[in-house]
Amino acid sequence: AQTVTQSQPEMSVQEAETVTLSCTYDTSESDYYLFWYKQPPSRQMILVIRQEAYKQQNATENRFSVNFQKAAKSFSLKISDSQLGDAAMYFCALRGNTPLVFGKGTRLSVIA
Amino acid sequence: NAGVTQTPKFRILKIGQSMTLQCTQDMNHNYMYWYRQDPGMGLKLIYYSVGAGITDKGEVPNGYNVSRSTTEDFPLRLELAAPSQTSVYFCASSYSGDNSPLHFGNGTRLTVT
Repeated sequence: AQTVTQSQPEMSVQEAETVTLSCTYDTSESDYYLFWYKQPPSRQMILVIRQEAYKQQNATENRFSVNFQKAAKSFSLKISDSQLGDAAMYFCALRGNTPLVFGKGTRLSVIA
Repeated sequence: NAGVTQTPKFRILKIGQSMTLQCTQDMNHNYMYWYRQDPGMGLKLIYYSVGAGITDKGEVPNGYNVSRSTTEDFPLRLELAAPSQTSVYFCASSYSGDNSPLHFGNGTRLTVT
């Protein structure tokens, strides 16, 4: 079975600062994919970034980057230059041979 | 491009009633999914489909049924609604089953009283 654990139910960050959201996962598969999704108060699910497990290079999308540690089964999300619009629930998710499995989420607050 | 469209947005059911949550996508995606999101929890997979005529159970299928007669539509049926089915329901689709991102609908908030 695949599992995803987000150990930080809530986080906060000052505007323009950097914050890192943690995610660990467990899978017995060698080929899998990892994702971070953002869910603002509008309830919409928005893809933030994705990482293929076979790629050693960490994915980056503008202010969002990941730290992928395959041996440790860790997949953290770093948000740089935080903006008020970054305030949302963030979900880490894992896909192997079965559909996407989600963590419980981290609620990020951005303080002006 | 509408993407993934879910109807209705909100619904209140009485215990024992039945209803169908509608989901349609116009991206010609093969894969479609139904998830539920309970307060303070992540999304849990109810059912999914890898193509027309093919459906599979997810983590929490009890109390639900699905069908996939066309590529575009993937309705979710609730029979004999129970308070435990109070949740937000998300339909999603993807082009394939690997690193293709899921495209989500805007969700249906269902309350069973």
